[in-house]
Amino acid sequence: QQPVQSPQAVILREGEDAVINCSSSKALYSVHWYRQKHGEAPVFLMILLKGGEQKGHEKISASFNEKKQQSSLYLTASQLSYSGTYFCGTLGNTGKLIFGQGTTLQVKP
Amino acid sequence: EAQVTQNPRYLITVTGKKLTVTCSQNMNHEYMSWYRQDPGLGLRQIYYSMNVEVTDKGDVPEGYKVSRKEKRNFPLILESPSPNQTSLYFCASSPTGLAGARYNEQFFGPGTRLTVL
Repeated sequence: QQPVQSPQAVILREGEDAVINCSSSKALYSVHWYRQKHGEAPVFLMILLKGGEQKGHEKISASFNEKKQQSSLYLTASQLSYSGTYFCGTLGNTGKLIFGQGTTLQVKP
Repeated sequence: EAQVTQNPRYLITVTGKKLTVTCSQNMNHEYMSWYRQDPGLGLRQIYYSMNVEVTDKGDVPEGYKVSRKEKRNFPLILESPSPNQTSLYFCASSPTGLAGARYNEQFFGPGTRLTVL
């Protein structure tokens, strides 16, 4: 079952902050975050695992609430380069990585 | 250069004409996967493979076939394409099997834009 992302779209000014949420109805082993710019392939941002371990870019922060099966991606002091579509992907006890529908972020000057 | 390559990058075909989209990675990754991307639906997994000769269905496998005869290659086969398979397709790979898939990033290929008329 596809995780649900919110909001669907965000428009920011440079320097503003944003939070993107990802919620799953299934028990998760890990949550993955990717960013995709228009016409390009998704690029890895971060992985959050049960137990609190994280792996990813230093400038990106995220959280994973195992009990609620929810994850949030925090984008602080946004830059123009942050624009794109953000996807969360969830992995349960199989090898299926199921992505959410995406959140489109537009950062304006 | 470590990468995932896909061919072709663009393909226009007609209904029913069998086609294969190739995917190759040079990183010795065990896990490989195919996704399709459609507006408003995000990335949906078609098939994945934990290792050579091991493949499993993703969320939208109908109308597709895959094979994993060697570690580096994971072709996507459309035996009888239909217009509803018009989409952007991505191949991806990750270092190791199930544990690795949970823990490691997926490296995506550049994508193949398929149009079925």
